[in-house]
Amino acid sequence: EAQVTQNPRYLITVTGKKLTVTCSQNMNHEYMSWYRQDPGLGLRQIYYSMNVEVTDKGDVPEGYKVSRKEKRNFPLILESPSPNQTSLYFCASSPQGHPNEKLFFGSGTQLSVL
Amino acid sequence: DAKTTQPNSMESNEEEPVHLPCNHSTISGTDYIHWYRQLPSQGPEYVIHGLTSNVNNRMASLAIAEDRKSSTLILHRATLRDAAVYYCIRRDAGGTSYGKLTFGQGTILTVHP
Repeated sequence: EAQVTQNPRYLITVTGKKLTVTCSQNMNHEYMSWYRQDPGLGLRQIYYSMNVEVTDKGDVPEGYKVSRKEKRNFPLILESPSPNQTSLYFCASSPQGHPNEKLFFGSGTQLSVL
Repeated sequence: DAKTTQPNSMESNEEEPVHLPCNHSTISGTDYIHWYRQLPSQGPEYVIHGLTSNVNNRMASLAIAEDRKSSTLILHRATLRDAAVYYCIRRDAGGTSYGKLTFGQGTILTVHP
């Protein structure tokens, strides 16, 4: 089944403890991206990647890192998480990143930073 | 700063049409307009998208204003399963913003039996 898989589904951590949220897609998509969703603010793009080794900042990249070493995976790294990064995170992919393509979203990762 | 704005909430009765508006007054000529919906505890799900012409698919219709500064998602006959948050999204198509997305704040659609 074609899908975008995020892990973990839920994560509770403490301030400053490095963490990684994984995102994997099995559709051979070139484009992948990360979003955070917060009450009253909706969804905001964090980073996106047009292809392997190509990443760019979205609207809210501060405090996050990404890497794209292989096509199927696009992990989101929080090197020193803070409470304001408590949020619901989504990963998405599309075939080549063209604006005419639909996006496929994962089921989300609920992160709590204490 | 580019803005995509939607009403916070709308209500409809089952079996009636629903028109969900979105304003994207700063849209450029090559940006696409997408609509997604999100059910509780799920990721956003694609509904429809378009550039200039009105679009139809099995889920909905998308009406795009002639000046492209606004669009309307049309659900022809709302069902209880259509109750969700609907997001209007502008997908950049030009220059250094290629690959960027700007979400509206979403419209919570309530469907009454």
